[in-house]
Amino acid sequence: GEDVEQSLFLSVREGDSSVINCTYTDSSSTYLYWYKQEPGAGLQLLTYIFSNMDMKQDQRLTVLLNKKDKHLSLRIADTQTGDSAIYFCAESTTSGTYKYIFGTGTRLKVLA
Amino acid sequence: DTAVSQTPKYLVTQMGNDKSIKCEQNLGHDTMYWYKQDSKKFLKIMFSYNNKELIINETVPNRFSPKSPDKAHLNLHINSLELGDSAVYFCASSQQTGGFLATNEKLFFGSGTQLSVL
Repeated sequence: GEDVEQSLFLSVREGDSSVINCTYTDSSSTYLYWYKQEPGAGLQLLTYIFSNMDMKQDQRLTVLLNKKDKHLSLRIADTQTGDSAIYFCAESTTSGTYKYIFGTGTRLKVLA
Repeated sequence: DTAVSQTPKYLVTQMGNDKSIKCEQNLGHDTMYWYKQDSKKFLKIMFSYNNKELIINETVPNRFSPKSPDKAHLNLHINSLELGDSAVYFCASSQQTGGFLATNEKLFFGSGTQLSVL
């Protein structure tokens, strides 16, 4: 099957780093994404990585991709209370048939 | 201006009723989607339209009927509402053209419609 799994909850202290993990099963995934969902809002794209890259950095965000293990992570440096949200990873593929699958979501709680 | 807007934001209704949710995007995108998010926050695609044509129809009951009068609008009509339809419904759009997923497809989401069926 095609599954994208994440741990459900993560709690960190303000100023610490957060690491949100994601595992996927489809090795033909072309792009992997991280979306953020704040309470009462839709998902917002944070960043993405092409499958032939190992790492991508974008300000406080670092995405690491281990294609061999099909493992994706999002590191948020200097986590702020405004980072509290649900984070979804997603994968897409260009192998003919449409596929864009979201993970189960990780609820990040930042403690002041 | 809101890029992807959907109305209403909240919808409370009785079982058996028929209701519609509207969605409009002003991004000039060719493709629009409906997603359903359940109480555990799992997000699943329901439908996708590319330039007014249905390209994805996941296993969704026939009671759900999407309608796309033009590529900027994708409405969702639900007949005979059931308790299990209670969820948050998200509209989204992307630039995808030609009916196939582009190499890097970013989705833009509306703020959701919380449907409660009593």
